[in-house]
Amino acid sequence: EDKVVQSPLSLVVHEGDTVTLNCSYEVTNFRSLLWYKQEKKAPTFLFMLTSSGIEKKSGRLSSILDKKELFSILNITATQTGDSAVYLCLSNAGGTSYGKLTFGQGTILTVHP
Amino acid sequence: DAEITQSPRHKITETGRQVTLACHQTWNHNNMFWYRQDLGHGLRLIHYSYGVQDTNKGEVSDGYSVSRSNTEDLPLTLESAASSQTSVYFCASSETSGRNEQYFGPGTRLTVT
Repeated sequence: EDKVVQSPLSLVVHEGDTVTLNCSYEVTNFRSLLWYKQEKKAPTFLFMLTSSGIEKKSGRLSSILDKKELFSILNITATQTGDSAVYLCLSNAGGTSYGKLTFGQGTILTVHP
Repeated sequence: DAEITQSPRHKITETGRQVTLACHQTWNHNNMFWYRQDLGHGLRLIHYSYGVQDTNKGEVSDGYSVSRSNTEDLPLTLESAASSQTSVYFCASSETSGRNEQYFGPGTRLTVT
């Protein structure tokens, strides 16, 4: 059974701190890993990673994938209160033409002023 | 602007009733998905479709059905609503390749009493 595990489950920091969120996966026929941010509404897309060692970056957020060790990290530098959200990772895997989607349980990030 | 919408946004129904949740996207995406989100379980895939007349079961499909008669819509039907189906339901769509990011609708909060 495919499995995606995120850690920590929750994290409380102060503005300006740097955080690292982890996502490990055990899936068959891995294709890609995606990160989403969910505030009080629908998840919004952050990054999609398919290749090991290539960092994706968007402003203060960055992410990288390690296909050998089967994990990805999401870094947020100089955190702001607006970064408070649930961060989800999604694995796309499988041998069919579409693939199998498995979400992690999410990391709740709270950033205090 | 292209978008994905869900209706209703909130629904209260009684056990045993049939309920249909609507999902409509204007991106002309071939792939559409239904998820439910519950505390402790994260997002779980219910059904998905990657084209007209195509539907597939996801991780938690029991008690749900979908039909795809056109590109824009993927309604989700609860045949006989149960209290265990109280949840927040998200619809999403993506381009043809399953490797691409999904765009989520705003969600429907369903309460089964």
